Parts: sequence; structure tokens; C-alpha cells
Amino acid sequence: KAGVTQTPRYLIKTRGQQVTLSCSPISGHRSVSWYQQTPGQGLQFLFEYFSETQRNKGNFPGRFSGRQFSNSRSEMNVSTLELGDSALYLCASSPRSPRISYEQYFGPGTRLTVT
Amino acid sequence: GEDVEQSLFLSVREGDSSVINCTYTDSSSTYLYWYKQEPGAGLQLLTYIFSNMDMKQDQRLTVLLNKKDKHLSLRIADTQTGDSAIYFCAESIVGNQGGKLIFGQGTELSVKP
Repeated sequence: KAGVTQTPRYLIKTRGQQVTLSCSPISGHRSVSWYQQTPGQGLQFLFEYFSETQRNKGNFPGRFSGRQFSNSRSEMNVSTLELGDSALYLCASSPRSPRISYEQYFGPGTRLTVT
Repeated sequence: GEDVEQSLFLSVREGDSSVINCTYTDSSSTYLYWYKQEPGAGLQLLTYIFSNMDMKQDQRLTVLLNKKDKHLSLRIADTQTGDSAIYFCAESIVGNQGGKLIFGQGTELSVKP
């Protein structure tokens, strides 16, 4: 079974621009979550989607948004990029509802550099 | 509160056992996880333990959970140079609407030949 895929793998953007990152979960997984990883803050939760609905959101500004499609694929968008948005953005999919078990399988990430 | 703490570095010799420790704060966590991250890669799920268990063994990996002290450890037997990576402990926080993982800072394991 193919793992979680993320595109693009690397991205360089300029301050003020916006960016869209894409994630395809493992086949059959309906829950998709996004995390930001930086050297200073570590791994931080951005949001979680299940059946096209955002069910949970982390403590990030409104510039960070996301959505999930009917095939469970997800995108996240960051508008008005700031230098501090430079990070590895990781997508994870889960086969089950969080109330049963919450093991999450991560993709390789998208490395975003903002200049 | 939501907080997971790990020591930052661990160095061992090839063939020795490695023990990586973690403390967490949310007593309602139902599952606790160990992930491995190699340079330039995403997170690989190594193992997880349900909160009503004390121990789980999976080949070279042994997870010990002390729920009273909110302490989790990962033991890697016969550590190999290929085990060199950053290891993250994580607890699941589940609410009415959904869930998330809270990660520790990661422990960088260095295995010397």
C-alpha cells in the first residue's frame, strides 16, 4: 500500500506570497492532519480533517487554512507568507477515529523556505 | 496542560541498549507513541502503547509506561548504527471534535561503531 504523499517536496517563496501544499493520505484513511516542524518550536499541530470537515485546529493565525476533498486528499494554504513560516510541513493520515486509536502515518513533508 | 518532555541527546556504542525517556502531562491520554525521524525524512511510527498497559515489546523495541509518574520509555536492544536518528515521544489529546498529537522536542540518538 502506498504511503502518504506530499507535493511539492521543496518550495521557495517570497515574503507576502501565498502557497498551497498538497497531501494524499494512505488509501482508505479518512483522517488527515497537518503539522509544522521548525528547529525552534519543534512539531506543532496545525489542523485535522475528517470527511471533509475540519475537526480540530491548532494555535496558528488565520493565514493558515486547509481543506479536505471527498477523496480524502487535503491541501493547506498559507497566505501573506512571513519569514517565520519557513518550516517542514508534515501531513499525516490515520485509519481510525481518534476515539479508538490515533496512530498517524506521516508523509515525507514539504520543505518551505520563505525569503 | 499539554507538555511532553524528552532529553535532547543520547550517545551509545553499537551493540549496547539505548533507553530514551519521556514525561507527559495529560493524564487523559489514551495512547502514547514513539516516532523516528531520519535526516531529511518525515516521521516513521515505531510503536505505540495503550494507557492501560505497562509494557509492550516489538522485536528490538520495548516500551515501558508508568502511568502514575506519567513516564514513558523506549528501549532499543542491540542498537545499530542505522538506529541513529531523532526519536519523538507523543501523546494523543482527544476532544469531542477531534484529536491531535503533542510531541516532545525529540531525542537525538547517536550510535558509535
